[in-house]
Amino acid sequence: NAGVMQNPRHLVRRRGQEARLRCSPMKGHSHVYWYRQLPEEGLKFMVYLQKENIIDESGMPKERFSAEFPKEGPSILRIQQVVRGDSAAYFCASSPLRVGQATGELFFGEGSRLTVL
Amino acid sequence: DQQVKQNSPSLSVQEGRISILNCDYTNSMFDYFLWYKKYPAEGPTFLISISSIKDKNEDGRFTVFLNKSAKHLSLHIVPSQPGDSAVYFCAENSNSGYALNFGKGTSLLVTP
Repeated sequence: NAGVMQNPRHLVRRRGQEARLRCSPMKGHSHVYWYRQLPEEGLKFMVYLQKENIIDESGMPKERFSAEFPKEGPSILRIQQVVRGDSAAYFCASSPLRVGQATGELFFGEGSRLTVL
Repeated sequence: DQQVKQNSPSLSVQEGRISILNCDYTNSMFDYFLWYKKYPAEGPTFLISISSIKDKNEDGRFTVFLNKSAKHLSLHIVPSQPGDSAVYFCAENSNSGYALNFGKGTSLLVTP
């Protein structure tokens, strides 16, 4: 049973370019979460999605960032016109239930490390 | 506004001794607290959790204690092993929320 798969593991972009990060949840998991870890910081919640729906995007910057989880295919976190401050590790997590419906255990991928030059 | 606080960014412990990692919280309306462990260049992995109705949960070398009056929880690792060297995050789960809220983490170094 494969875990949460994220790609690419490392991504380098120049300022102004677009970054697309992909996440395939664990089999049977329909709840997907994106977290960001800035250097020397903890994990910050960005967005929570179920299939075809954004449930909570309260942690996502209002501009340049978007997320989707289509009916078919992986979840995508998209960052347009990247700036140096977007350099971070982006982690995707999945769960079989909504966090509040159980212990809240999330299964994390290995992360995508974005570097903006 | 940090709801979950880990005030010690780092901790160094000798192999075989006890490691105690601390976490303070502000929101009393939670269901569970969870501890995650993270190695460099890897994703966090779940370690142990505790329900709001309990004050202790034990799993092998790992024990989590919850003090609701002080809004404080701690993770005890005994005996500590070099492979325990990692960053440990505590996280809060409230049934009204949609996601886990994480602390900033404590980096544990277990020396031989």
